[in-house]
Amino acid sequence: DIQMTQSPSSLSASVGDRVTITCQASQDISNFLNWYQQKPGKAPKLLIYDASNLETGVPSRFSGSGSGTHFTFTISSLQPEDIATYYCQQFDNLPLVTFGPGTKVDFK
Amino acid sequence: QVQLQESGPGLVKPSETLSLTCGVSGYSIGYYWGWIRQTPGKGLEWIGSIHDSGTTYYNPSLKSRVVMSGDTSKKQLSLKLSSVTAADTAVYYCARTRPGGSYPFDYWGQGTLVSVSS
Repeated sequence: DIQMTQSPSSLSASVGDRVTITCQASQDISNFLNWYQQKPGKAPKLLIYDASNLETGVPSRFSGSGSGTHFTFTISSLQPEDIATYYCQQFDNLPLVTFGPGTKVDFK
Repeated sequence: QVQLQESGPGLVKPSETLSLTCGVSGYSIGYYWGWIRQTPGKGLEWIGSIHDSGTTYYNPSLKSRVVMSGDTSKKQLSLKLSSVTAADTAVYYCARTRPGGSYPFDYWGQGTLVSVSS
């Protein structure tokens, strides 16, 4: 099974800060990596697909990069509405879909 | 606009079968439809996916207990998880999977909490 790790598990930042989260896969998954945002009591929301493609309607301050085993998710300028938990998710041919453990982002 | 809505009992007894339904509005063919659950302890866990053709894919760790089906005429999906234990207590989501590339889950239901307790 492919294991996904995320770091950090949580972080505190200020409005306007640049926030970076990393996701590591235990084996090469090419660019089959997605990023989601989840707010308390809500379903996850797709932000980035195929490692670096911005989902329609998602603000451009969100971005993703990487391939193979190492991926990065960035919020260029943290906004109050970005307080949430962020998850990476890999797809490596069904039936292999796994999520990372999540990174909780809150205000400093 | 695609909307998904999970429904089913909020409480299931241990050893019984958990049964959930997902109603889909804005349904269109050619997609995969997935079930994902979320527990405080294990985070987000993919349960399985079903294609419009009826082909199913299950998480190997749950495969022996899971059955997924779909009714395209009713625009409904169903999930059955047998022999449940307290470890199956979770919020259960259904989600649409966009085919191609990383097969992202692009639309999600609001989720339904299922507790397993006697």
